[in-house]
Amino acid sequence: AQSVSQHNHHVILSEAASLELGCNYSYGGTVNLFWYVQYPGQHLQLLLKYFSGDPLVKGIKGFEAEFIKSKFSFNLRKPSVQWSDTAEYFCAVMYSGGGADGLTFGKGTHLIIQP
Amino acid sequence: GAVVSQHPSRVICKSGTSVKIECRSLDFQATTMFWYRQFPKQSLMLMATSNEGSKATYEQGVEKDKFLINHASLTLSTLTVTSAHPEDSSFYICSAWAGTGLSYEQYFGPGTRLTVT
Repeated sequence: AQSVSQHNHHVILSEAASLELGCNYSYGGTVNLFWYVQYPGQHLQLLLKYFSGDPLVKGIKGFEAEFIKSKFSFNLRKPSVQWSDTAEYFCAVMYSGGGADGLTFGKGTHLIIQP
Repeated sequence: GAVVSQHPSRVICKSGTSVKIECRSLDFQATTMFWYRQFPKQSLMLMATSNEGSKATYEQGVEKDKFLINHASLTLSTLTVTSAHPEDSSFYICSAWAGTGLSYEQYFGPGTRLTVT
């Protein structure tokens, strides 16, 4: 079965630290990749997405992610985190040959930034 | 950006009753809408895919007779939980896809917290 793995379920960092959240998926075919953020009490918000082209994608709020096809990975990074980055982060994959399909989500990473 | 709303945001119902949850795309037409379920401290699980004017496609293990989905227009999809039981208590989230070009971005609603007593 198709699956998405997020390696870190809870991450605690201090402000200004660098962040990398791991994400691996199981499918070897065509994929579209996403990172979503869910702030406390709010709905899912798209941070960034990869469909094709440059494997290094930049998103909102200073986040970026790199698609490494050979490793089936799409890790999320931010050079310097802020207290306001405290949230739940979800990696998601859409397995498809065209059109929109439902997303397969990882279990999420709860990120806490300490001031 | 595109906005998706859900109503109600919270609902408490008694076991055996039915509950309807609405998902609306407010400023765009959604060719496809998706329904997800999120258990506490867990990830979102896709329940079904809903295309306007056609029957929903359910994921394996999701009872289509229990979770009725209607996508009557390009801006509205409804999920009805029939004969609800306490194990149906969960957070239900919809998303909508505009179906334009190669933008496969789905816009998520704020979710509906269902509690069955």
